[in-house]
Amino acid sequence: EVQLVESGGGFVQPGGSLRLSCAASGFIFSDYDMDWVRQAPGKGLEWVGRTRDKANSYTTEYAASVKGRFIISRDDSDNSLYLQMNSLKTEDTAVYYCGRDFDYWGQGTLVTVSS
Amino acid sequence: DVVMTQSPLSLPVTLGQPASISCRSSQSLVYSDGNTYLSWFQQRPGQSPRRLIYKVSNRDSGVPDRFSGSGSGTDFTLKISRVEADDVGVYYCMQGTHWPPFTFGQGTKLEIK
Repeated sequence: EVQLVESGGGFVQPGGSLRLSCAASGFIFSDYDMDWVRQAPGKGLEWVGRTRDKANSYTTEYAASVKGRFIISRDDSDNSLYLQMNSLKTEDTAVYYCGRDFDYWGQGTLVTVSS
Repeated sequence: DVVMTQSPLSLPVTLGQPASISCRSSQSLVYSDGNTYLSWFQQRPGQSPRRLIYKVSNRDSGVPDRFSGSGSGTDFTLKISRVEADDVGVYYCMQGTHWPPFTFGQGTKLEIK
């Protein structure tokens, strides 16, 4: 059974940093592109970024709104996906979901950026 | 970026009746490989999104056949043949042809009348 479990969310002040993790199981992690998608309170879905699979050299792509501030990484030996969020802004407040090429999603972790 | 526009944004439906959601893209979603990367997602209240349909009309595993997707080019539709109480939630279309970025529609809130 495919499972994705996010962790690391919490409360942070503007300008701060936070690192989210996503633990994957039930599939060959290195074979899949992995995404981060976020949802601000009461709002729609916004794609944050993607790390490609091993076959695509683990390249990463980001939404313009987070490029230069967020870094996606993965550890295939540990079946883990990460989102390092730096220079956080209040508008980054959202539930952050990790997803396996959009066909499976985690339960999400809430990040609140506020002073 | 490709803009995805859904209509209606609110959809009250009587139980057992059909429902239809439209999604239009600002440019054709046909990719150079001939595929059209248009997906539909359901998000029930308090839950994570769940993909229902990929590449316009392919149902994901476990999705009831009451759900169907159709369309081409820039115009796409999600249809529910007979709405059940379990279908309440927000539905999103998403394009995966011209990425980055992947872009979602605004969402359509389906409620029972």
